[in-house]
This record gives sequence, C-alpha cells and structure tokens, in this order.
Amino acid sequence: KQEVTQIPAALSVPEGENLVLNCSFTDSAIYNLQWFRQDPGKGLTSLLLIQSSQREQTSGRLNASLDKSSGRSTLYIAASQPGDSATYLCAVREDDYKLSFGAGTTVTVRA
Amino acid sequence: KAGVTQTPRYLIKTRGQQVTLSCSPISGHRSVSWYQQTPGQGLQFLFEYFSETQRNKGNFPGRFSGRQFSNSRSEMNVSTLELGDSALYLCASSPGPRTGELFFGEGSRLTVL
Repeated sequence: KQEVTQIPAALSVPEGENLVLNCSFTDSAIYNLQWFRQDPGKGLTSLLLIQSSQREQTSGRLNASLDKSSGRSTLYIAASQPGDSATYLCAVREDDYKLSFGAGTTVTVRA
Repeated sequence: KAGVTQTPRYLIKTRGQQVTLSCSPISGHRSVSWYQQTPGQGLQFLFEYFSETQRNKGNFPGRFSGRQFSNSRSEMNVSTLELGDSALYLCASSPGPRTGELFFGEGSRLTVL
C-alpha cells in the first residue's frame, strides 16, 4: 500500500525566503506526482504535474523535482510572499485510477 | 473555460438522512473522482468514474455510492448519514485516468447534526 509522507507538517518563514517542501512515497512504481495548494475551506488548486519519466517541472517561481528511485519529490518556491501562505499537498498516482495524498505542509509566510 | 462545478456548496443534514452531491467536470474531461476531506483523516479517495464506469473504489462503507452520466457529470450519494460523515467532499476531473492532470472543484461542505 502506497504511503505518502510530507515533512514538516508546518513551516513559518519570513517574506522573501525560499521555501522547500518535501514529499516522500513508499512505492516507486508511480505514473505521476502532482502538487496542489489548498486555502482554508477551499478546494485544491493544481500547481505542477510531473510525469514518471520527468525529473522536474517549472512554473514561474515554482519548481518541483522528482526522484522515483528514492521515492522523493521536492517543491521549491522562490522568494516567498504572504500570498503563498496555504497548505501544500502532494499526490501520487500509483495505478490507473487511485490517487494517494500526503497530509500536507501548512506554510505561513510572515510579512 | 469553466472549471469543475460542485453543488451544493454547503448543506446541513440530520443523522439518518441521505444526501446527493453533484459534480460537473471541465468540458471534455471524462474522468471524475471523489474525495472526502476531514481534519482527522485528511484526503481520502472515495471512487473514480470513467466513461460511466466505476474504475476504483476506496475503503468506504456501501452507504457511499456514486454514478456518472453520459455527459460525464457525476453524483455521489450517502445514505443513512452519521455524524462522522461531516466533511468537505471534493470532486476532481481529468481528461482521462492515470496520466492526466487533476482539477478540483471548491467542494461541498456537509454537516451532519
């Protein structure tokens, strides 16, 4: 059974600092990995999708890497802003239809 | 392009009642999946539909059911509601199963009294 872990559970940084969020998974036989952002009481917003054949994806200030062999993905957010405060979740698609989510990392960016 | 639409956004029910939630996927998306989110359990997979067929089901009791229509819209139903069913129910759509990027709706917040 796939287990997805996100450490730390919470993170507080001053504005301008780079953010590094970690996601680890136990079964490396994945099809893709997706990073999401969730604001309180809201749905999930897709940030980046990395296919299993890719090593990284970039979008603006966001960069996500994937190391399947070690079961790890890292989301980097450059020059953090207060608007980046949210919960960030990673999800692993391990077979045709099922997604396994981590518990998320709650980020607070202090102005 | 319209996003994933879920209705209703908020609802309050009492124990023993049943509830039906609706999800309209992004136009052209044929895969719809459902998730339950609670503070204690996080995000848990309920089921996924593709081309009107349930492809996979999570570890939930039979009180939780769903279906998908020919236009890809989906509904989920919870019968004999229990207090523990209070949660945010999220629907997501993707072009197809497995490889497509997943897009979520805003969710339906269910409170069971």
